[in-house]
Amino acid sequence: DIQMTQSPPTLSASVGDTVTITCRASQSISSWLAWYQQKPGKAPRLLIYKASSLESGVPSRFSGSGSGTEFTLTISSLQPDDFATYHCQQYHTYYTFGQGTKLEIK
Amino acid sequence: QITLKESGPTLVKPTQTLTLTCTFSGFSLSTSGVGVGWIRQPPGKALEWLASFYWDDDKRYSPSLKSRLTITKDTSKNQVVLTMTNMDPVDTATYFCAHSPPPFSNYWNYWGQGTLVTVSS
Repeated sequence: DIQMTQSPPTLSASVGDTVTITCRASQSISSWLAWYQQKPGKAPRLLIYKASSLESGVPSRFSGSGSGTEFTLTISSLQPDDFATYHCQQYHTYYTFGQGTKLEIK
Repeated sequence: QITLKESGPTLVKPTQTLTLTCTFSGFSLSTSGVGVGWIRQPPGKALEWLASFYWDDDKRYSPSLKSRLTITKDTSKNQVVLTMTNMDPVDTATYFCAHSPPPFSNYWNYWGQGTLVTVSS
């Protein structure tokens, strides 16, 4: 199984900040990585696919990068609506998620 | 407009079999490259992929749960059904179904609202 490790587990930030969340794969997954945003009691929302492709309708302040085993999700100029939990997911071999990163208001 | 909705029991007893139905609209599971997946999330925990059904009738299962899962489709009803045998309290979770777009993407761009299943005697 490919394990996905996200860091940090929790991140405190303020509106207007730029934040970065990291996702590491236990083996190379090329660029087969997606990022999701999830709010309490809601389904995940796709933000990024193929490591850096922005899903339609997602604000351009969200960006993804990386390949191989290390990936990042960057959110620029945080907005109040961005405080949520973020998940990465690999789809190179079967499909596994990271444990999530909770983005909190500082 | 693509929508998906999960339905099934909210409470099952240990050792029972869970049957969940995903009813979808706005796409066809016969369209090349399309898939429907089941993903679950125990309270306060990470997402876990369970199974997927594809346009070409291919099925994939989580290796760790494969012996307990069956995924089928009912094309006439636009439904994908997941059964999970021998339920245990650790299977308590919100179960989501979701759409994966062509071409055989294996990420999910539309999700149902989820249904909470509690396993308890």
